[in-house]
Amino acid sequence: GAVVSQHPSWVICKSGTSVKIECRSLDFQATTMFWYRQFPKQSLMLMATSNEGSKATYEQGVEKDKFLINHASLTLSTLTVTSAHPEDSSFYICSAWHNEKLFFGSGTQLSVL
Amino acid sequence: AQSVAQPEDQVNVAEGNPLTVKCTYSVSGNPYLFWYVQYPNRGLQFLLKYITGDNLVKGSYGFEAEFNKSQTSFHLKKPSALVSDSALYFCAVRLNTGGFKTIFGAGTRLFVKA
Repeated sequence: GAVVSQHPSWVICKSGTSVKIECRSLDFQATTMFWYRQFPKQSLMLMATSNEGSKATYEQGVEKDKFLINHASLTLSTLTVTSAHPEDSSFYICSAWHNEKLFFGSGTQLSVL
Repeated sequence: AQSVAQPEDQVNVAEGNPLTVKCTYSVSGNPYLFWYVQYPNRGLQFLLKYITGDNLVKGSYGFEAEFNKSQTSFHLKKPSALVSDSALYFCAVRLNTGGFKTIFGAGTRLFVKA
């Protein structure tokens, strides 16, 4: 089946630094990818829709300048958490549609100290 | 507002017994409906989907789901639960808008006791 690869699996950073998370579709092309955020024991919250070759579409309440999304190719989308703070600590998951199924990366656990 | 509801935070069932995880939705049009399962510290895995056709759809690991249009429900079922089925289950709806955004229910944690 289709595979979405997400790296890193976990990252610890100091407050004020930036962190980049990569999401790759390994065996299919994805013109659109989705970034979700999941808090412990809670559901997935859609943050933004990443569009290849154009600007991302952010959900209401998500800071565009805080969460920078780049979708430079049909197989790669990146999420950069800029000037991270402890409240940004969360589990971030990317996903992409393929054959009418949504495939997910394994997620990135971000801890900001 | 479009939404997906999973009324139970947790479902407990004994191994070998049937299980049901409930889901209702409030979405305009004819949405695509999905169930996903999440194991600890991992991404979500596809279980099954309903797009059109038979109301009872069969999916991975022996799971099935019944679509009920009048009740706007899409309950997940399995005739005989296994301890290994213990996980977090999400019901999801794909919106028929630009980009095909998907919204998720709050999730239901399933515990299967041996």
